[in-house]
Amino acid sequence: GAVVSQHPSWVICKSGTSVKIECRSLDFQATTMFWYRQFPKQSLMLMATSNEGSKATYEQGVEKDKFLINHASLTLSTLTVTSAHPEDSSFYICSARSGGGADTQYFGPGTRLTVL
Amino acid sequence: QKEVEQNSGPLSVPEGAIASLNCTYSDRVSQSFFWYRQYSGKSPELIMSIYSNGDKEDGRFTAQLNKASQYVSLLIRDSQPSDSATYLCAVNTPGNTPLVFGKGTRLSVIA
Repeated sequence: GAVVSQHPSWVICKSGTSVKIECRSLDFQATTMFWYRQFPKQSLMLMATSNEGSKATYEQGVEKDKFLINHASLTLSTLTVTSAHPEDSSFYICSARSGGGADTQYFGPGTRLTVL
Repeated sequence: QKEVEQNSGPLSVPEGAIASLNCTYSDRVSQSFFWYRQYSGKSPELIMSIYSNGDKEDGRFTAQLNKASQYVSLLIRDSQPSDSATYLCAVNTPGNTPLVFGKGTRLSVIA
C-alpha cells in the first residue's frame, strides 16, 4: 500500500508559538492532501483539502489564518498552527490521494500536538 | 448533506467469533466504499475497499456491498483480541471530494 509519513510524530510547545507539521507521500504523487484533527474519543474532523499548487479549501469553522496549509509539491504538504493555544492541542492527521481518478485515501501516522 | 451512519458500539464478541460491522450511506451516487481500522491513539489504516455489489474477501475480512439498499458491511472471521479497535466506514462520490467518514464502531474482542 501507499506510504504517507508525518513529521514530527509529537510536539510540545508554549502558548503563542507556531508549529509546522509536514506530510509526505513516499511512494506516490499526491495530487490531493487532506488535514484532519481528532480530539480524544471523538471522530475524525476534516479541517481542509489541498490540491498541489492551489490554495487550500477549509471546512466551515476552521480558521484559515490560524491553520496555514501549503501544498507546494506532489509529495509534500505542510500545516502550520500559528499562535497555538492549549485548545489547539489535538491529534493532527494528514491523508493523501493520488490523481487520475484514484479515490483511496492513505493516512499518515499523525502528529500529537500539546500546547502548554 | 452526505451522511454515513454506523452504530457506535461498543460491539463485543468472543474470541474466535464472527464480528459484523454495518454502515449505511445517504448519497445514492456513491461509488467507492472503504473500511479503515483505527487503534486507540493511532491514525486510520485502510483494510478493505469495495466498488461493486457483492462480497470481497481478503483473509479474515469480507466486505459486502448492496448499493440498492445503500448498505456496506464488514465481517471479521475468527476474531482476535488484536482486532479490538474502532472501524471506520468511508464513502466516496464522483469528483475530487474527500471521503465521507462514519463516526466509527468500536469493536471489542474478548479473550
